[in-house]
Amino acid sequence: SQKIEQNSEALNIQEGKTATLTCNYTNYSPAYLQWYRQDPGRGPVFLLLIRENEKEKRKERLKVTFDTTLKQSLFHITASQPADSATYLCALEEQAGTALIFGKGTTLSVSS
Amino acid sequence: NAGVTQTPKFQVLKTGQSMTLQCAQDMNHEYMSWYRQDPGMGLRLIHYSVGAGITDQGEVPNGYNVSRSTTEDFPLRLLSAAPSQTSVYFCASSYSQHGWGETEAFFGQGTRLTVV
Repeated sequence: SQKIEQNSEALNIQEGKTATLTCNYTNYSPAYLQWYRQDPGRGPVFLLLIRENEKEKRKERLKVTFDTTLKQSLFHITASQPADSATYLCALEEQAGTALIFGKGTTLSVSS
Repeated sequence: NAGVTQTPKFQVLKTGQSMTLQCAQDMNHEYMSWYRQDPGMGLRLIHYSVGAGITDQGEVPNGYNVSRSTTEDFPLRLLSAAPSQTSVYFCASSYSQHGWGETEAFFGQGTRLTVV
């Protein structure tokens, strides 16, 4: 079955630096890959979606890449701020027609 | 437009009790799903539905029942609560019509369930 691996449980960076989070999947190559943000005690909130034929997607300080050959997505936050501190989750379909499954997430801490 | 509403927010059950976690959405979304979230385990899919009358199992369906009689509601029933079902439960909905991945999912605020 499909497995999603996010490179690390925790990432600590200084304010102003670029945070890079990794999401790898093992089997079925999805047509779409999504990224969510989750704050403590809250439900996940959608950030970005990237399609398999898109190499890169940007939204303000966020950038997502999708490499179907490597079965990997990278999520970048440029000029990071303490307010960016949260857990970031990647998600995709386990297989075509099934519901989204999520990685365990990477908790980002941005210190000032 | 309230989005996805889950009730209750907190619940304590005794082992063996049954209960229903409610989930309602007012966005006319066909796709709805239930997840549980445990420390170190991430979000795990319990059940999902692509429309009224259609449900399917996810990764961890044992001990849970669902039904989808209306587009708006997708309740999750615990048949006989066990301590292993202590978790935070999230309901989500999506506008997708051709696949779960093609549009964003909207999540409720979660139900924190403790089984003693």
